Amino acid sequence: AQSVTQLGSHVSVSEGALVLLRCNYSSSVPPYLFWYVQYPNQGLQLLLKYTSAATLVKGINGFEAEFKKSETSFHLTKPSAHMSDAAEYFCAVSDRDRGSTLGRLYFGRGTQLTVWP
Amino acid sequence: DTGVSQNPRHKITKRGQNVTFRCDPISEHNRLYWYRQTLGQGPEFLTYFQNEAQLEKSRLLSDRFSAERPKGSFSTLEIQRTEQGDSAMYLCASSLSSTLDTQYFGPGTRLTVL
Repeated sequence: AQSVTQLGSHVSVSEGALVLLRCNYSSSVPPYLFWYVQYPNQGLQLLLKYTSAATLVKGINGFEAEFKKSETSFHLTKPSAHMSDAAEYFCAVSDRDRGSTLGRLYFGRGTQLTVWP
Repeated sequence: DTGVSQNPRHKITKRGQNVTFRCDPISEHNRLYWYRQTLGQGPEFLTYFQNEAQLEKSRLLSDRFSAERPKGSFSTLEIQRTEQGDSAMYLCASSLSSTLDTQYFGPGTRLTVL
């Protein structure tokens, strides 16, 4: 079975500082990995996904994540935080289901990002 | 692309009552997923459909829960005899069953059971 661990339920950074949100996964097969963001009273929005192509994945809003198989990690980073980045971030893993399509997502518990002015 | 929509956005009910939620996926998407999210947790998978067929159900989905997608378009999730432990955000997502497609989420229905 797949599982995801997000280290740190709350992360606080100053505006302009580096954002680093940690995600480690457990998977018995090559994983497909995702980062979603959830703003208050809104649905989950995909930031980026890794699907076995390039290990460094660039997403929206200046975020990127690097897949490291040896560390079973998929940490999310952004060089310079902006106030609008304050939200909850979820890491998720999926696997192939019925051939080549993706199946259900397994989510971590989420990391709440606070950005201080 | 109008996105995934869910109705109602909020539902307050008394314990023991039945509730039904609706999800309208993105029009060309043939897969539809239901997840449940409680406070401080990530979403947990409940069930999913490909067209009208329900392909997988989680053990979290007790006998009081039933989901349908009768025409392969919208889906309903019904909870019978609600319990306080059912209070959560119920999320719907849709995708294409093509290779590596992304799940797009709706805004969710927040259920409060008194």
